Amino acid sequence: QQPVQSPQAVILREGEDAVINCSSSKALYSVHWYRQKHGEAPVFLMILLKGGEQMRHEKISASFNEKKQQSSLYLTASQLSYSGTYFCGTERDGTSYGKLTFGQGTILTVHP
Amino acid sequence: GAVVSQHPSRVICKSGTSVKIECRSLDFQATTMFWYRQFPKKSLMLMATSNEGSKATYEQGVEKDKFLINHASLTLSTLTVTSAHPEDSSFYICSAAQWEQFFGPGTRLTVL
Repeated sequence: QQPVQSPQAVILREGEDAVINCSSSKALYSVHWYRQKHGEAPVFLMILLKGGEQMRHEKISASFNEKKQQSSLYLTASQLSYSGTYFCGTERDGTSYGKLTFGQGTILTVHP
Repeated sequence: GAVVSQHPSRVICKSGTSVKIECRSLDFQATTMFWYRQFPKKSLMLMATSNEGSKATYEQGVEKDKFLINHASLTLSTLTVTSAHPEDSSFYICSAAQWEQFFGPGTRLTVL
């Protein structure tokens, strides 16, 4: 079942912060976050595992609340390069070896 | 991160013809590769899981006879769209899985 991302779109000025959420109706084993620029392939940002720690990649961090079956991606002091569509991909259990179901995407636009 | 290539990057073909798309993992061996389809401004939809040395596992609703997948070696998986129709026009992306998924650059197929 496809996870639900919110918001669908965000518009920011450079330096502002944003939060993107990814919710599932089923229990999750892991959540993966990717960013895709127009016409390009998705680029991996980070993985969050059940029982794992909050992850960080430069000024982007993410958390995983197992009870709520939700992950959040935090973009701090956004840069122009952060613009793109962000997808979360969820894994139901650890036996599917990377088989992910992706959310519908959140379009992030950062203006100067 | 690991590098995954796809060939061709763009292909235009006539209705009724078959098109083969190659996905290669350049610097690691991938026992599992995934094939996705993406429509404009939409999410990635998993089509099938390609397993080296065995048959691919198709997602519900994906015609295995139309989308032939062969995973002949640990570095190469191919997707053949047989008897292509205009509704098969899409962006096809492969990924190779290690811990995370590394995506190829995608192939844009246009069927006239």
